[in-house]
Amino acid sequence: DAGVTQSPTHLIKTRGQQVTLRCSPKSGHDTVSWYQQALGQGPQFIFQYYEEEERQRGNFPDRFSGHQFPNYSSELNVNALLLGDSALYLCASSFLGQALNTEAFFGQGTRLTVV
Amino acid sequence: AQTVTQSQPEMSVQEAETVTLSCTYDTSESDYYLFWYKQPPSRQMILVIRQEAYKQQNATENRFSVNFQKAAKSFSLKISDSQLGDAAMYFCAYRSANFGNEKLTFGTGTRLTIIP
Repeated sequence: DAGVTQSPTHLIKTRGQQVTLRCSPKSGHDTVSWYQQALGQGPQFIFQYYEEEERQRGNFPDRFSGHQFPNYSSELNVNALLLGDSALYLCASSFLGQALNTEAFFGQGTRLTVV
Repeated sequence: AQTVTQSQPEMSVQEAETVTLSCTYDTSESDYYLFWYKQPPSRQMILVIRQEAYKQQNATENRFSVNFQKAAKSFSLKISDSQLGDAAMYFCAYRSANFGNEKLTFGTGTRLTIIP
């Protein structure tokens, strides 16, 4: 079992550009959540996808958008990058059918640096 | 909205000794879950232990145990027989038991150093 995989591991973008981060959930999982972890902080919830729909959203601007594909993999898109978007982006997967009884598994994250 | 507070930015402990990491939270809900996650330099969040709020018994996983005080909204993690591999950032997290609200709310973390 490969667990949750994220790509790329590191990324450098210029302010104003757009970026796409990718996540493949753990085998058997159907729900993907994205978190932003700024340096020295705890992760902050961005949004969650289930059945290709955004199911829950945190306090992030519309520049942050996502997508989930039929194979449950997911993308996080950030438009008009700001220096403050520099962070570690974590993907977590879970199985909604037993949402209250299953833990979320995390990937190793994508380190985004905006210059 | 729920909040999670970790008041110890850094902690250190001698190898083989015991250390306790503190966490408090604020919620108006009566049913929820609490977690401790470990984040080593590899960056991957690893679940250490979980506690269901409706259970009065404190959770235990090998060398890791919690002291869950629901009335005080306190959820501390005790690591016994500390090992070098325990060195990491530790995050306390809250999750509602309401279906449709499964997001995790994290504290700011405690960096644990193990002294050989």
